[in-house]
Parts: sequence; structure tokens; C-alpha cells
Amino acid sequence: GQQLNQSPQSMFIQEGEDVSMNCTSSSIFNTWLWYKQDPGEGPVLLIALYKAGELTSNGRLTAQFGITRKDSFLNISASIPSDVGIYFCAGPSNTGNQFYFGTGTSLTVIP
Amino acid sequence: EPEVTQTPSHQVTQMGQEVILRCVPISNHLYFYWYRQILGQKVEFLVSFYNNEISEKSEIFDDQFSVERPDGSNFTLKIRSTKLEDSAMYFCATKFRLQGHEQYFGPGTRLTVT
Repeated sequence: GQQLNQSPQSMFIQEGEDVSMNCTSSSIFNTWLWYKQDPGEGPVLLIALYKAGELTSNGRLTAQFGITRKDSFLNISASIPSDVGIYFCAGPSNTGNQFYFGTGTSLTVIP
Repeated sequence: EPEVTQTPSHQVTQMGQEVILRCVPISNHLYFYWYRQILGQKVEFLVSFYNNEISEKSEIFDDQFSVERPDGSNFTLKIRSTKLEDSAMYFCATKFRLQGHEQYFGPGTRLTVT
């Protein structure tokens, strides 16, 4: 299957700092999705990107669809304690019937 | 707000036993998925289901696994003869239409095989 690698694997930051993480793939995707998973819960969709070069914001979150279509970036500005969790990128197969998830970035925000 | 529900929240079973994990999708959603997440690892696709048949399945979804929608509301995942390595969180996800990618995930069932 498709391999989606995320970096960094984990981050420890001070409250108020900005965060950047990225996701790279060996193959092209036509859609990039970013999810957040809180401990013991299912992933929740944060942002969906549908076009190469697209930059989309959702509150303090901004995500970009890389122009090569093989990567995507997620930025969180002015982090707060509730940003803690694991962030996953994901992309659908060509049929749209299967979704590949990245390796995840674990975010810890220190108050 | 409508949500996907899953039961049970935690299932402990002995190796070799059959388990059935249940999901109640959001009512007007048509596409259903099962995912697995081994502790500390990434979310892995198992199977997608539409119009009462499997649309796509991963290599993880072998003959030990089956899915069905027995009564038009529940969507179930059956593992016929559990193995230790089946221990994981199992998430159900549902989607309204194929073209959109907004899947809604349930809270998961933690399966522990002893």
C-alpha cells in the first residue's frame, strides 16, 4: 500500500508557540486530509485539501497541498493545551474506496 | 450533531474465539469503513462497504474477517478466530457520498485477545 511518512514523529512545545508538521508520500495524491486523534478516541477531520498548491485554514490551523502532490503541510498557530493529540495526514486511493493514513505526529503542549 | 456509535467499547476475548464488533452509522451515510489501529501505531484501512457489498479491502482483511449490514442500520465486523495480533482499536467510519472525503469516525472498540 501507499506509504505516508510524517515528520516530526513527536513534538514538545510551549503554549503559544507555532507548530509545523509535514507529510510526504512516494505517490501522488489528489486529496490530502488532516485528522487529529485525542487519546482513546477516533480521528476527527480537521482540514481537507483538493487542489495542488491549495492553502486552507480552519481557525488556527492552516494546511497546504504541495505542488508536487506528494506532500502536505499543517501549521498550528499560537498553540493551546487542547491542541495535544496525534495528527495524521491521510489520502484516498484512486477509487476513493480506501484511505491511507500517515505515521502520525504526536504533539505535546506544555502550559 | 449526528455521530457514529460503536459497541462494545472494550472487548476481551480468548485466542481462537469469534468476535463481532458493531457500528451504527450516521443515518443518511452510504459508505462504511473499518480501520484498525494497533497501540501506538498508525490507522490502517481494513475494508470499505457500499450497497451491501465490499468495495475494497486491504491485505490485512483476510478470510478471518467479514463484514455485513444485517438489519440496514448496524454495520458489523466479524473476526472468525481471533489471534493475539488482532489486539487493537477498531474504528468504524462512515461517509455520505463517494466524492466527498469527510469520513466520520466512531469512538472505537478496543479488542484485547488473550
